[in-house]
Amino acid sequence: DSGVTQTPKHLITATGQRVTLRCSPRSGDLSVYWYQQSLDQGLQFLIQYYNGEERAKGNILERFSAQQFPDLHSELNLSSLELGDSALYFCASSADPRTDSYGYTFGSGTRLTVV
Amino acid sequence: LAKTTQPISMDSYEGQEVNITCSHNNIATNDYITWYQQFPSQGPRFIIQGYKTKVTNEVASLFIPADRKSSTLSLPRVSLSDTAVYYCLVGDISGSARQLTFGSGTQLTVLP
Repeated sequence: DSGVTQTPKHLITATGQRVTLRCSPRSGDLSVYWYQQSLDQGLQFLIQYYNGEERAKGNILERFSAQQFPDLHSELNLSSLELGDSALYFCASSADPRTDSYGYTFGSGTRLTVV
Repeated sequence: LAKTTQPISMDSYEGQEVNITCSHNNIATNDYITWYQQFPSQGPRFIIQGYKTKVTNEVASLFIPADRKSSTLSLPRVSLSDTAVYYCLVGDISGSARQLTFGSGTQLTVLP
């Protein structure tokens, strides 16, 4: 157990639907990162939050959004889902990135299947 | 963000030392080099990180030459359970904004 908790582990939904993925970071970690991993795209950075604020944005689609709440958990919202959104979605956390140089801790991921 | 190049795949036998080299010719002054390991359907796991020279922990060693344009991850005496994808990442970890970029990784297969 890495200490980063992601729910649900598996999700099957239809095209056009909206889903929410949840991530609880490791205790004490202030930063949360979301990654998408599909077979043809590898691990793609989506977005980073630090202590409730968005800090870095990667290849996140406009149909996707995220937020980090005061208790530091984060949610990734995916809407108007398409077949191509089927992927593993990973959340990672790190301590204060201004001082932490030991990398991220990843959760076990949510496998999203859009049918 | 510095681009990295690493072999797509490598094979080794149990008990051997494995060295995976990563090229990062345009590494910037503030960039650190980080290696992750990923098993199928699991999140990547941090292995080691360094800035220059040599870093060693209980799992691996990381060798970084003076020009920092490449780095080598060394796994001593690999076992079957070391079969995984290994990613080399280069990125600036200063400041609160992070965007570590994963490349294609190296699929290491350890054979009995």
